[in-house]
Amino acid sequence: GAGVSQSPRYKVTKRGQDVALRCDPISGHVSLYWYRQALGQGPEFLTYFNYEAQQDKSGLPNDRFSAERPEGSISTLTIQRTEQRDSAMYRCASSLETGSHPYNEQFFGPGTRLTVL
Amino acid sequence: AQSVAQPEDQVNVAEGNPLTVKCTYSVSGNPYLFWYVQYPNRGLQFLLKYITGDNLVKGSYGFEAEFNKSQTSFHLKKPSALVSDSALYFCAVRDIGDYKLSFGAGTTVTVRA
Repeated sequence: GAGVSQSPRYKVTKRGQDVALRCDPISGHVSLYWYRQALGQGPEFLTYFNYEAQQDKSGLPNDRFSAERPEGSISTLTIQRTEQRDSAMYRCASSLETGSHPYNEQFFGPGTRLTVL
Repeated sequence: AQSVAQPEDQVNVAEGNPLTVKCTYSVSGNPYLFWYVQYPNRGLQFLLKYITGDNLVKGSYGFEAEFNKSQTSFHLKKPSALVSDSALYFCAVRDIGDYKLSFGAGTTVTVRA
């Protein structure tokens, strides 16, 4: 079956522009996560959705970052007034079970490489 | 708080030799532990996990990992490495009752022919 998909795969933008990154999770997956991965580092948690409810946004760096999942499926991560320090790989993951379920296994998409000039 | 350490940035082995990628973790409770592999221009692929039970966990592509509670380690192993195993490997931990994965910085594995 289809895995997690993300679009665009690559995004180059100028400082100060807004960007929207899309995640399409595996069909039927309840939970959706966003992570950010800097070069040479592992992914770091940004935010978590259980169905359409944003349960945790503690990892979002500041109020320029926001995310939504209005119908409990596709999610959008929006970065307003982008800065060069926002350049990174943004990864989305989904899981079948509610986040804290013991057998919750997160499946990752290919990521969006964001470059802010 | 939970965290993972992968003490080696790089591991180099010859094809056919055993491969070990080290991982130690820190959690407040009992851990759920995971290994993921990242190939160039592709997403993170799940390899294996430890939730409970047998300390030796077998996963995809002939990989296995051993959970050692006293040493807080979860090292990834493969008895006979292949050139195609060359990739970036991430260890991750999740505390019981939590949903966030905390990842190590990754270990680049190079298997030479």
